[in-house]
This record gives sequence, structure tokens and C-alpha cells, in this order.
Amino acid sequence: GAGVSQSPRYKVAKRGQDVALRCDPISGHVSLFWYQQALGQGPEFLTYFQNEAQLDKSGLPSDRFFAERPEGSVSTLKIQRTQQEDSAVYLCASSPYSNTGELFFGEGSRLTVL
Amino acid sequence: QKEVEQNSGPLSVPEGAIASLNCTYSDRVSQSFFWYRQYSGKSPELIMSIYSNGDKEDGRFTAQLNKASQYVSLLIRDSQPSDSATYLCAAPDSSYKLIFGSGTRLLVRP
Repeated sequence: GAGVSQSPRYKVAKRGQDVALRCDPISGHVSLFWYQQALGQGPEFLTYFQNEAQLDKSGLPSDRFFAERPEGSVSTLKIQRTQQEDSAVYLCASSPYSNTGELFFGEGSRLTVL
Repeated sequence: QKEVEQNSGPLSVPEGAIASLNCTYSDRVSQSFFWYRQYSGKSPELIMSIYSNGDKEDGRFTAQLNKASQYVSLLIRDSQPSDSATYLCAAPDSSYKLIFGSGTRLLVRP
């Protein structure tokens, strides 16, 4: 596809369930970011990949959050034992470059934890 | 002080007016800045970047950077109702992590 693709677009989970959010970046893009956006707030950094290497995971809120990009393309953000405070939009962004602020965002995955 | 700060708004301007959106930043971010537009329910979209002091113009948009005062602005000339959105100011930290402000909501009244 032409842009960054995320799935599912909407996910409702019961508290305690595990969820997996997928990001398919633009082909050839080296950098891949995950952000979390709460209502009325700006995106908050979660983690960063350069190709398959996870260079920074300092923004992951707890050890329940895990991200991977095993082949340097598709990435998955996994949240274990979801809590209500995990409810947010999870945005994936990619870039053909490293060390850049010019990101291409996907449409996001809206997670609601009941 | 947060790394990147914005007034949440809403900023309301009449159609055809100039909308001025402001952002201040701390010493903890690098000296390059990005303006993203986010329509309600949509993802952020890059509209302007600025790397050096002064003005940068692109169509109806002008970005202004003042490093001495640590602020960056986005001016939208001849504002249209379709410009109504949230505008996010962003800057990288010491390397690649893009730090976003909380965004300013702009409302252009027909």
C-alpha cells in the first residue's frame, strides 16, 4: 500500500486480556515508531526501531508492553493483561531516514479496555 | 518546563483571517521543529518543518523560529474552514525521539 497501515483500527478488550496491534510501514522505511495518544493530548513516544533493532523502548509504560519488528518491516505492539489506563490510540509512524522528525503516521489503533 | 509546550486553545478565527499558532520549547530538545496537523479522528500529518532561525514559507503556511526566545510559530494566511484541526508542534530530543506538544485546536468560522 501507499501509506502506513495499522490493524485493527478498533479493539475492545476486557481488562486482563492480551492484545496485539500490527503496523505495516511504508516499504523500505528504515525507522519505525510507536506512539500512544490519549484524548486531547499529543502523541507520547513508546518505542523506536531502526530496521529490526529496537534502539529505544524507554517510553513503554510497563513490562506489560512489548514491541517487535523481527524482519525489519512489519511491527507488532503487544499489551499483556490490559488495564483501563491502557485505553488510547496507538499510532505507528515510519520514515525512510533515521534521526528525522519527518514521520508518516498510520491511522492508528483505538484500544478501549473495559 | 515540558520540552514542548502549546496552548490547547481553541483558537477561533474568522474565515480569511491569519491564524497564529505558537509553541515554546526547552533546552532539552534539538533545534529543528515540525508542525503536524491532525484532523479529528485522524492521524497527524506533517505540514511544515523548520531548521534555522527566521521564516519559512510554503503556500499559505509560514513557520517562524526564534532560537533566542525559544519559540516557534505557525502562521496560516487566508484561513479556511478546512484548516480547522489540531496543530501539533514537535521537536526531537538529543537524537531521534520526536517530542510532541499537546496541540492547539484551531477553529475557523465561516
